[in-house]
Amino acid sequence: DVKVTQSSRYLVKRTGEKVFLECVQDMDHENMFWYRQDPGLGLRLIYFSYDVKMKEKGDIPEGYSVSREKKERFSLILESASTNQTSMYLCASNLGTSGSGETQYFGPGTRLLVL
Amino acid sequence: DAKTTQPPSMDCAEGRAANLPCNHSTISGNEYVYWYRQIHSQGPQYIIHGLKNNETNEMASLIITEDRKSSTLILPHATLRDTAVYYCIVSYSSASKIIFGSGTRLSIRP
Repeated sequence: DVKVTQSSRYLVKRTGEKVFLECVQDMDHENMFWYRQDPGLGLRLIYFSYDVKMKEKGDIPEGYSVSREKKERFSLILESASTNQTSMYLCASNLGTSGSGETQYFGPGTRLLVL
Repeated sequence: DAKTTQPPSMDCAEGRAANLPCNHSTISGNEYVYWYRQIHSQGPQYIIHGLKNNETNEMASLIITEDRKSSTLILPHATLRDTAVYYCIVSYSSASKIIFGSGTRLSIRP
């Protein structure tokens, strides 16, 4: 079974802090994704990566950056956390064979509270 | 914007089949229909996907109409653990955005 893990289930940070959210997948997937989920807004894509050191902006990249130094690990960075970044953050991955219809596998989520 | 339309909520008796509808009238020929569900406070879980033919796995069945403009997810014997928000999504390639709409909140009554 595919396993996607996230470093924390719950996190509390202060405004202005630098925050790192880590995601690891164990299935040698090419693509990895970071979403945030907010009530009434659904899941929104922040960034995704289709290869090591490669990244693409999603719909709401402002205030975030990402890092993919190794294939299995995709990090989301909040450079200076703000209260409007309080949210549930979800990481996902998939195999990456475009055109075949690819399932995304999600981690359990990190619920971040910025005070 | 999500390219699918689902009822906001449904309920079903435990042990009965739950049939969740989805409209995707603007689906293109090479887009797949995916279903995910999200149990409270967990990440979304893949259920099933299909292109044209009906599909079945250990979790559910997916019925896609011949014109591909709508589909139905069937949970054959619903249990209380099936209580979740169910999302119907159309998507082409692996690296493209998956747009989750509002989904259907399914409640299973004992």
